Amino acid sequence: SQKIEQNSEALNIQEGKTATLTCNYTNYSPAYLQWYRQDPGRGPVFLLLIRENEKEKRKERLKVTFDTTLKQSLFHITASQPADSATYLCALPTSGYSTLTFGKGTMLLVSP
Amino acid sequence: EPEVTQTPSHQVTQMGQEVILRCVPISNHLYFYWYRQILGQKVEFLVSFYNNEISEKSEIFDDQFSVERPDGSNFTLKIRSTKLEDSAMYFCASRQGYNEQFFGPGTRLTVL
Repeated sequence: SQKIEQNSEALNIQEGKTATLTCNYTNYSPAYLQWYRQDPGRGPVFLLLIRENEKEKRKERLKVTFDTTLKQSLFHITASQPADSATYLCALPTSGYSTLTFGKGTMLLVSP
Repeated sequence: EPEVTQTPSHQVTQMGQEVILRCVPISNHLYFYWYRQILGQKVEFLVSFYNNEISEKSEIFDDQFSVERPDGSNFTLKIRSTKLEDSAMYFCASRQGYNEQFFGPGTRLTVL
């Protein structure tokens, strides 16, 4: 069956460092992959989408890579700030209607 | 900036009661979704809705659940006879073009 795995343990880093989060998937061949941010008690907020023919995508301090051979996406936040502290979700489409299947998410804690 | 809104923010109900969760998607969006998130778990797909009918539903979306778009703006999720295990955050989402979904702030449903 289809599976999405993200680092289950929280990632603690110092302000100013680069955070790298991992999303691995199995039994999928997705046309694209998305990353969302979720704050406690709030809905997911879309961050970036990367398509299968794109190796890398950037938006301000965010960078996403997508390796369809390894079935892995890496999500980087450079020059991290305490305000970046949140849970980051990886999501893949699992139907023609773009129904999303989410990973459990990785909590990022950026300390000053 | 347009956003998805949901009401109520918190709903407390007795087991066996019916609840209706309401959503106002972004006005020019065509695809609508309901997801839920049980505390501490991942966001799970329930149902998608397009062109005034259900386009896809998950195993969770059984006969106790229904969705409706009663007018041009609202999108509702009804649970006919709530169970304790229905306690969760329920998120509405909408999409216009390709792929990016916009999520509402969620309704926290507590079944006693």
